[in-house]
Amino acid sequence: DTAVSQTPKYLVTQMGNDKSIKCEQNLGHDTMYWYKQDSKKFLKIMFSYNNKELIINETVPNRFSPKSPDKAHLNLHINSLELGDSAVYFCASSRGGRNTEAFFGQGTRLTVV
Amino acid sequence: GNSVTQMEGPVTLSEEAFLTINCTYTATGYPSLFWYVQYPGEGLQLLLKATKADDKGSNKGFEATYRKETTSFHLEKGSVQVSDSAVYFCALSDSGGSQGNLIFGKGTKLSVKP
Repeated sequence: DTAVSQTPKYLVTQMGNDKSIKCEQNLGHDTMYWYKQDSKKFLKIMFSYNNKELIINETVPNRFSPKSPDKAHLNLHINSLELGDSAVYFCASSRGGRNTEAFFGQGTRLTVV
Repeated sequence: GNSVTQMEGPVTLSEEAFLTINCTYTATGYPSLFWYVQYPGEGLQLLLKATKADDKGSNKGFEATYRKETTSFHLEKGSVQVSDSAVYFCALSDSGGSQGNLIFGKGTKLSVKP
């Protein structure tokens, strides 16, 4: 049983397209996140949701729009894809609070051509 | 703002060598500290954590001690194996927020040769 699962694992698309990445967690966590990992492996938080409400939006272009239909799901929709959006996107979840660790999905490698 | 600095890689060691990966942090308040590991093609997995000063986290032979006086959380292992080859990330939990989002260092790639 995968704790945090995201689909697809690989996504290759052309500039200007709109795409979505889905994420689901079966851990019963209240908090979910999206992180972006660039080509140098640097990880940066993009969004944080708690109980379906947006908590953190870290200066991400508004072409990126997270959607949380329920607290087990946090999807990421990206409009008008650009070359610079190529990266690995990780979904994560946690119970929330500073002492709790985050559980990560396997990542989605997005390549914009 | 809060930040994490960890030693640049890559680090290449022979099997059974001693490993240290340095990590220092800058934070207001009292963050929790974590080491995550990313094996090739996989997501991040928690390796160990420490939630207050002088706590020692340990797992799979790895250890790190939360040193408030030196703002450090160095990762150590006495005898590395080929299977330890991965990228290691030091992270802190942003104590300024209630949601525990993580701030990561840039990662250190470890390669262990037989």
